[in-house]
Amino acid sequence: GDSVTQMEGPVTLSEEAFLTINCTYTATGYPSLFWYVQYPGEGLQLLLKATKADDKGSNKGFEATYRKETTSFHLEKGSVQVSDSAVYFCALGNSGGYQKVTFGTGTKLQVIP
Amino acid sequence: DARVTQTPRHKVTEMGQEVTMRCQPILGHNTVFWYRQTMMQGLELLAYFRNRAPLDDSGMPKDRFSAEMPDATLATLKIQPSEPRDSAVYFCASGAGTGREDEQFFGPGTRLTVL
Repeated sequence: GDSVTQMEGPVTLSEEAFLTINCTYTATGYPSLFWYVQYPGEGLQLLLKATKADDKGSNKGFEATYRKETTSFHLEKGSVQVSDSAVYFCALGNSGGYQKVTFGTGTKLQVIP
Repeated sequence: DARVTQTPRHKVTEMGQEVTMRCQPILGHNTVFWYRQTMMQGLELLAYFRNRAPLDDSGMPKDRFSAEMPDATLATLKIQPSEPRDSAVYFCASGAGTGREDEQFFGPGTRLTVL
């Protein structure tokens, strides 16, 4: 079945450091790929998405490229801020019209001043 | 600003009591999901509905959990009887249900503590 594997956290970075959170997936067909972010005390919210191979999703300085050849969707940001501290979830959608999404386990990011 | 609402935001109850959590999906969304989040298990899908019909509730303990959509504006998740291991944050999410590329919109969650 479909699955998502993302790097274990927590990840601790200094402000303005470069961020990479690795995500790989297993799926049949042509899934859509997502990154969701969860700030403390809140629900998840969509950060970015890509719907086909070689698409790049981007938002708020974050970006991720859908790599079919390596089945990966790594999240990157060039310069993190304290306000980026949150839990990041990689996810895939691959169930036709029913919109069911398979989430990874989440990676906690802590950015220190 | 359309958003998913959940009530109550916090609930503390004693073991054996019935707990009902409510969710109002975004108007016009026809797909609703219930998730449970714990430190140990992460985010688990409990059930999801499309056009108010349950499509999959295999993630739910059937003996004590039930999920319904009495109408298009209300989804409920009930636990009876509750147990300490049910302590978690329960999220409701809704979506337009038009395809695999759709975003899910999450509510703020109900933090349940069962003593």
